[in-house]
Amino acid sequence: SAVISQKPSRDICQRGTSLTIQCQVDSQVTMMFWYRQQPGQSLTLIATANQGSEATYESGFVIDKFPISRPNLTFSTLTVSNMSPEDSSIYLCSVAHSAAEKLFFGSGTQLSVL
Amino acid sequence: GENVEQHPSTLSVQEGDSAVIKCTYSDSASNYFPWYKQELGKGPQLIIDIRSNVGEKKDQRIAVTLNKTAKHFSLHITETQPEDSAVYFCAATGTSGTYKYIFGTGTRLKVLA
Repeated sequence: SAVISQKPSRDICQRGTSLTIQCQVDSQVTMMFWYRQQPGQSLTLIATANQGSEATYESGFVIDKFPISRPNLTFSTLTVSNMSPEDSSIYLCSVAHSAAEKLFFGSGTQLSVL
Repeated sequence: GENVEQHPSTLSVQEGDSAVIKCTYSDSASNYFPWYKQELGKGPQLIIDIRSNVGEKKDQRIAVTLNKTAKHFSLHITETQPEDSAVYFCAATGTSGTYKYIFGTGTRLKVLA
């Protein structure tokens, strides 16, 4: 497994502002992903964070709204831009090693937008 | 499109009883099926997984069974304890790549002491 540190763990933000969430892994991993979990819902993949290149976004998610960086194999950030109350969710960083398909999650960022 | 259905959405059992959660997937090419436990305020934790070449896997009080023909897989928890109370998610790999998972809608398990 991997130790995944995600911060902040929670935040309350005003409408129209942006929040950047950080994800740090204790070892190099091939794959890093960002998921959204709306209240009481399942997990939805936002994008795959690619090292040194633009992230790969899933249908319904765009770079202008959720810019992602991944400067190296252990770190990634997700920004939630121009927030609205509909963005209130848990945002989760997840990683997978190249040698296996096991997917591990960070502890999540609970975001509330007023 | 690819889909994973999960039942029941909520489940209450008495401490010591067994709990069973079932999932059905649509993509016959799926070959990896993990189960996650999510406690309040925490991220999902991988608790057990199974690959398509195996019909059953057990780890102490939890077990997973897979029926590839019927595209069903199930999580079995025996001798349930209050600390088993959590939301459980099943998942299946999608056709677009090994790392793309389709998650079920979750089951809220409550173990009554």
